[in-house]
Amino acid sequence: DAKTTQPNSMESNEEEPVHLPCNHSTISGTDYIHWYRQLPSQGPEYVIHGLTSNVNNRMASLAIAEDRKSSTLILHRATLRDAAVYYCILRDVVSGTSYGKLTFGQGTILTVHP
Amino acid sequence: ETGVTQTPRHLVMGMTNKKSLKCEQHLGHNAMYWYKQSAKKPLELMFVYNFKEQTENNSVPSRFSPECPNSSHLFLHLHTLQPEDSALYLCASRPLGDYEKLFFGSGTQLSVL
Repeated sequence: DAKTTQPNSMESNEEEPVHLPCNHSTISGTDYIHWYRQLPSQGPEYVIHGLTSNVNNRMASLAIAEDRKSSTLILHRATLRDAAVYYCILRDVVSGTSYGKLTFGQGTILTVHP
Repeated sequence: ETGVTQTPRHLVMGMTNKKSLKCEQHLGHNAMYWYKQSAKKPLELMFVYNFKEQTENNSVPSRFSPECPNSSHLFLHLHTLQPEDSALYLCASRPLGDYEKLFFGSGTQLSVL
């Protein structure tokens, strides 16, 4: 699987936007970009995913660079409940057996200040 | 609340004990997974089940024995574990036809003494 690189930690203030970067310079054309987050004492939670186009859902937005070598997860207004570890993961859709086989890295620890 | 329930939430066991972890989902999902999260290490995939059949064993030692009696239940049977097996064990499930979303439980925090 292609590798992702994320900052170890980031900080934000409540009600401000947060931009979480992810570099994936070795991404292949068939890799989907996934974001999950893990709140304290919980399992990971799906946030969003995309292939080439920017994506929006009720939780966040995903901005994908034109060359797909990087992406940014955008939380439009951070709340204290958004404090978590955020994981950027690539999944190859060519392999039919890869469904659900997510390779997690260390992720980015997001701290949100009141 | 994701709809995936794991019990117990915490478990302490000796190296000679036998215990089981349970995972249950009534979401109608047909794929279920065990992941392991050790302290300060990334999550690691252990086992994958599709329609009750094991389709992936990620080189997991035989002291971990999974069981999937039906699409709603997944067990992880533990015996003669080592202290380094102490970790958070996470269960996940996936809807049939939706290949991109996993639903995780809150995990069982296991301590092996």
